[in-house]
Amino acid sequence: AQSVTQPDIHITVSEGASLELRCNYSYGATPYLFWYVQSPGQGLQLLLKYFSGDTLVQGIKGFEAEFKRSQSSFNLRKPSVHWSDAAEYFCAVGGLKGRGSTLGRLYFGRGTQLTVWP
Amino acid sequence: DAGVTQSPTHLIKTRGQQVTLRCSPKSGHDTVSWYQQALGQGPQFIFQYYEEEERQRGNFPDRFSGHQFPNYSSELNVNALLLGDSALYLCASSLFVASGDGETQYFGPGTRLLVL
Repeated sequence: AQSVTQPDIHITVSEGASLELRCNYSYGATPYLFWYVQSPGQGLQLLLKYFSGDTLVQGIKGFEAEFKRSQSSFNLRKPSVHWSDAAEYFCAVGGLKGRGSTLGRLYFGRGTQLTVWP
Repeated sequence: DAGVTQSPTHLIKTRGQQVTLRCSPKSGHDTVSWYQQALGQGPQFIFQYYEEEERQRGNFPDRFSGHQFPNYSSELNVNALLLGDSALYLCASSLFVASGDGETQYFGPGTRLLVL
């Protein structure tokens, strides 16, 4: 069964510190991977995505993520966090091809709430 | 370039009532997906519409139904509302890719539904 695990429910970092948010997935075919960010009371904004090719992908707002097939992981990183990065971050997988494809459907993790201390 | 829009932004209903939520996709997109996000949870897939037909459905009861119009906009209808239907309802639009490679979904701001 397809699933996404974000093991950290809440992370607190100081402004200027580095950040890594973890994401592990379980999937039966080639995954397409996404990170979205949600500010309080808002919808989801796409940060970055991985479809194929270079396993290190760059996104908006200085974020990057690395796909590691051997670890079934797609961790999100930022070298220096800003106070405006405080939000909830969701990892998602979807867009599979092949037998039993659930094409178009996204599976989300439960999210990681990021708090930034000044 | 307008993004995904949803209406209304907030809604309060009582148990047993029916509700209709609306979504207009991003310009150039032809596919609309609906998600339910309960408090403290990640979004859960309800269904997806393409060419005015339901292309895929998640694990939601028949009380949840939808429609897509020729202009690609969409409605989500929920009948016989339950307290547990209280959630943020998100609409996402995308452009159908025939090869199946990497459709990217862009989300609207959501409609917050409270059932009393």
